Amino acid sequence: DAGVTQSPTHLIKTRGQQVTLRCSPKSGHDTVSWYQQALGQGPQFIFQYYEEEERQRGNFPDRFSGHQFPNYSSELNVNALLLGDSALYLCASSLLQGAFFYEQYFGPGTRLTVT
Amino acid sequence: AQSVTQPDIHITVSEGASLELRCNYSYGATPYLFWYVQSPGQGLQLLLKYFSGDTLVQGIKGFEAEFKRSQSSFNLRKPSVHWSDAAEYFCAVVNAGGTSYGKLTFGQGTILTVHP
Repeated sequence: DAGVTQSPTHLIKTRGQQVTLRCSPKSGHDTVSWYQQALGQGPQFIFQYYEEEERQRGNFPDRFSGHQFPNYSSELNVNALLLGDSALYLCASSLLQGAFFYEQYFGPGTRLTVT
Repeated sequence: AQSVTQPDIHITVSEGASLELRCNYSYGATPYLFWYVQSPGQGLQLLLKYFSGDTLVQGIKGFEAEFKRSQSSFNLRKPSVHWSDAAEYFCAVVNAGGTSYGKLTFGQGTILTVHP
């Protein structure tokens, strides 16, 4: 049973550049959420996708955008990178079916460093 | 707005000793509560969850947690810690309805160090 996978594992970008992170949900899951975890902090919710639409969003600027594909995989895009965007980006998946929806399974994350 | 507080930033225990990690939440209705564990540089692994029913829930790796509504707490316990339990532990709450439906809110984490 494949878990949540993310790519790439590590990424180094320069300020002002754009980046795309990818996530494949756990087999059977249809909902994908993205979180940002700064060093020494707990994860912060960025947004959530279901049926290829953004269902809800946390307190992140419009520079952060996403997409979900028909196969439920998802991308997180960040434009005009700032040094403060350096973090571990975590993808989580769940199944939109009753209480299972609240049980989110996380991938290993993508470590983004902005220089 | 919902929030989670983990009062202890860093806890050190000896291998074989008991462990209790504290978690307090602020939420108006009945919360759904979780504990996750994160090894250095890794993602989060779900240890256990509370949705409803029995307030003492069992999880993986010998962990358990008790939901106490009167104290707004969901403390994580383990009777005998193993060196492999050294990691960072996060408590999280999710809103089962309302405007933040399905959004996990995390505490700041507790780093556990295990001495041999």
